Amino acid sequence: DAGVTQSPTHLIKTRGQQVTLRCSPKSGHDTVSWYQQALGQGPQFIFQYYEEEERQRGNFPDRFSGHQFPNYSSELNVNALLLGDSALYLCASSTRGWGSPLHFGNGTRLTVT
Amino acid sequence: QKEVEQDPGPLSVPEGAIVSLNCTYSNSAFQYFMWYRQYSRKGPELLMYTYSSGNKEDGRFTAQVDKSSKYISLFIRDSQPSDSATYLCAMITTGTASKLTFGTGTRLQVTL
Repeated sequence: DAGVTQSPTHLIKTRGQQVTLRCSPKSGHDTVSWYQQALGQGPQFIFQYYEEEERQRGNFPDRFSGHQFPNYSSELNVNALLLGDSALYLCASSTRGWGSPLHFGNGTRLTVT
Repeated sequence: QKEVEQDPGPLSVPEGAIVSLNCTYSNSAFQYFMWYRQYSRKGPELLMYTYSSGNKEDGRFTAQVDKSSKYISLFIRDSQPSDSATYLCAMITTGTASKLTFGTGTRLQVTL
């Protein structure tokens, strides 16, 4: 049973560029959430998708956008990259339903230079 | 003030010790509580998931929730070097589906 898979594992981009990160949820899960984890910090919620729509959003600017596909996989897009966007980006999947536990992938390490 | 407070450590203990990891929170709407373990360069791994006040045990791990004091703990018995990792507490409020609010994490080192 495959867990949550994310690609790529590492990425280096330059300020101002755009980046797309990808996530495949755990089998049986239909809800995908994205988190940003800065070094030495806990993950911060970016947004959540189910039924191909953004359902909740954290305190992140519109430069952060996403998409969910009919097979429940998801993408996170970040435009106009800033140095402060350097972080580990984590995808988590769950089933719908209040309080459903999240299962995380190993993340994409994004470095913005 | 952060919604969830967690001592960042690092915490260093000898093998076989009992470890106590703690979080406090300010928002009484938090209803579900989780502990995640995160190894270096890996994603968080769900360890414990609780709802009610009281204790929940799973092998060497015990999660404790005290909603009246807004305090949760994770106890690790007979700690092993393989337990060396960062431990993150996380919580969900009512009505916010699966949006987790995390603590900053406590880095644990178990030495031989």
